[in-house]
Amino acid sequence: SQQGEEDPQALSIQEGENATMNCSYKTSINNLQWYRQNSGRGLVHLILIRSNEREKHSGRLRVTLDTSKKSSSLLITASRAADTASYFCALYNQGGKLIFGQGTELSVKP
Amino acid sequence: DTAVSQTPKYLVTQMGNDKSIKCEQNLGHDTMYWYKQDSKKFLKIMFSYNNKELIINETVPNRFSPKSPDKAHLNLHINSLELGDSAVYFCASSQGLNGGWAFFGQGTRLTVV
Repeated sequence: SQQGEEDPQALSIQEGENATMNCSYKTSINNLQWYRQNSGRGLVHLILIRSNEREKHSGRLRVTLDTSKKSSSLLITASRAADTASYFCALYNQGGKLIFGQGTELSVKP
Repeated sequence: DTAVSQTPKYLVTQMGNDKSIKCEQNLGHDTMYWYKQDSKKFLKIMFSYNNKELIINETVPNRFSPKSPDKAHLNLHINSLELGDSAVYFCASSQGLNGGWAFFGQGTRLTVV
């Protein structure tokens, strides 16, 4: 399968806790991207990590990439109720395709 | 200004009808995509165009025909609509084939009855 497999499919936490989502894949990639989708809206990009990078940060977001294990993780620290959304990893490969995983539904309870 | 805009936002139609969804981007991007999101939120790539040329066609039925009159527009025409076509369709664009971000439209929720 070309797409990423996300784990868990759903995650429910309390405000202030950290949320970790994982993405595993099987093909070679140029980069891996993380997106967020609020209910009823389009996707918004969060972080892009290239295949030669291991870690990237953006505010409360931290993404890691392990190409030897073909996996990536997205960590959201000190979560807020407003972080409630679906989070998707997407693989960009040599063929110019941006292929999405099935997403993780995050619910942050106040 | 909306970067990637799709119209209509909602579309309810009967089986067998033909319908079109329009997409426009004002980002100056070379690459545009159509994705289909099913009820389980799985996003499947359908088509990709680069500089008005089709580069990806992911085993989509022939009833779906994309058209790119220029780099800023990618429309999706669907013939003989079926119940299984009900989904949310997203248009997206990116700078080019260099693996950059994709910018998404708000989606078109198509319901076939």
